[in-house]
Amino acid sequence: DAGVTQSPTHLIKTRGQQVTLRCSPKSGHDTVSWYQQALGQGPQFIFQYYEEEERQRGNFPDRFSGHQFPNYSSELNVNALLLGDSALYLCASRGSWDYGYTFGSGTRLTVV
Amino acid sequence: AQRVTQPEKLLSVFKGAPVELKCNYSYSGSPELFWYVQYSRQRLQLLLRHISRESIKGFTADLNKGETSFHLKKPFAQEEDSAMYYCALNSGGYNKLIFGAGTRLAVHP
Repeated sequence: DAGVTQSPTHLIKTRGQQVTLRCSPKSGHDTVSWYQQALGQGPQFIFQYYEEEERQRGNFPDRFSGHQFPNYSSELNVNALLLGDSALYLCASRGSWDYGYTFGSGTRLTVV
Repeated sequence: AQRVTQPEKLLSVFKGAPVELKCNYSYSGSPELFWYVQYSRQRLQLLLRHISRESIKGFTADLNKGETSFHLKKPFAQEEDSAMYYCALNSGGYNKLIFGAGTRLAVHP
């Protein structure tokens, strides 16, 4: 099992552009959460998806949106990119029986 | 407000010395706390959870509700313990994790 896989690993975008990040959860996991980790900080919760619906959301603007597909994979979309959106974006999944999350390696987004 | 505080950015010790990584939390309900670890060039992984009261890789952590703390301890540090350690709080039934800023543990030979 490859665990949680994220793509791409690195991405450079221009301010004002839009970006889509992808996540495939660990086999058997049905809940996906996204986190933003700025340099020198701990991960910050963006939102969580379960049964293709956004179940909980952190303190992020509407420019951040997501989607979960029937196969439990997920996308994170960020519109109108700002320089401050530069960060490592982590995807984490868990199954209904789990008490902890399995994290992916992340996508490093740089906005220039 | 729900918050996790890790007061030390860096903790530097020698091999064989005791280690204590501090974590304090702010939460109005009954907290569920975790320690996650990130070794160099690896992904974030769960180290231990307070409810299970287990010892993983020699690390233990006790929840102290009076002091609102969940410090991570190990009696004898090993070089392979060098990593970034994050304390995290489950802030609700849907397992939204609130992380601290992390502490880098450096164990010197």
